[in-house]
Amino acid sequence: KAGVTQTPRYLIKTRGQQVTLSCSPISGHRSVSWYQQTPGQGLQFLFEYFSETQRNKGNFPGRFSGRQFSNSRSEMNVSTLELGDSALYLCASSSGGRSSTDTQYFGPGTRLTVL
Amino acid sequence: GENVEQHPSTLSVQEGDSAVIKCTYSDSASNYFPWYKQELGKRPQLIIDIRSNVGEKKDQRIAVTLNKTAKHFSLHITETQPEDSAVYFCAAPYSGAGSYQLTFGKGTKLSVIP
Repeated sequence: KAGVTQTPRYLIKTRGQQVTLSCSPISGHRSVSWYQQTPGQGLQFLFEYFSETQRNKGNFPGRFSGRQFSNSRSEMNVSTLELGDSALYLCASSSGGRSSTDTQYFGPGTRLTVL
Repeated sequence: GENVEQHPSTLSVQEGDSAVIKCTYSDSASNYFPWYKQELGKRPQLIIDIRSNVGEKKDQRIAVTLNKTAKHFSLHITETQPEDSAVYFCAAPYSGAGSYQLTFGKGTKLSVIP
């Protein structure tokens, strides 16, 4: 099976702009989670989508949003970009369901730089 | 939610020595503990995981131990090699409302010195 893919791999934006990142999960996986990775804060959970519904949300401002399509592909959007949003954004897919022991598989990430 | 503490933040070992990384968690309901390895510029890769019905799991040079009473789990790498150099993350799930999120430790940068 093909792994998790993310596009684009690199983005440079300026403050105040908005950005949309895309994630395609492993075929058959229905859950997609998003994480922000920064040197200071490590991997922080943004939100999780399952069957087009947001099931869980981390402690991020409302500028961070996401959605999931019927084919399980997911997008996340960041509006009114701030310098502090510069980070590696990772998505991870899992089979989903209601198991708390699903293995998550990560994509390569999108490196966002805000100038 | 879950709180995961990981120690040490950096670890240097001589090639051939063992490395141990420890994590503690707060949610007593957690029952799945994965470890990820992230090489520079690459995605986190699952290297081993353990579920709460066992106390230890081994895969060649890598082992993970779990102490549910004390709420801590550890990664053990024996006979370290330069290619083991990477950042290692532990994680534990927080289960709520039928969903779960993985809470990660801050990571341990392992350097294996040839």
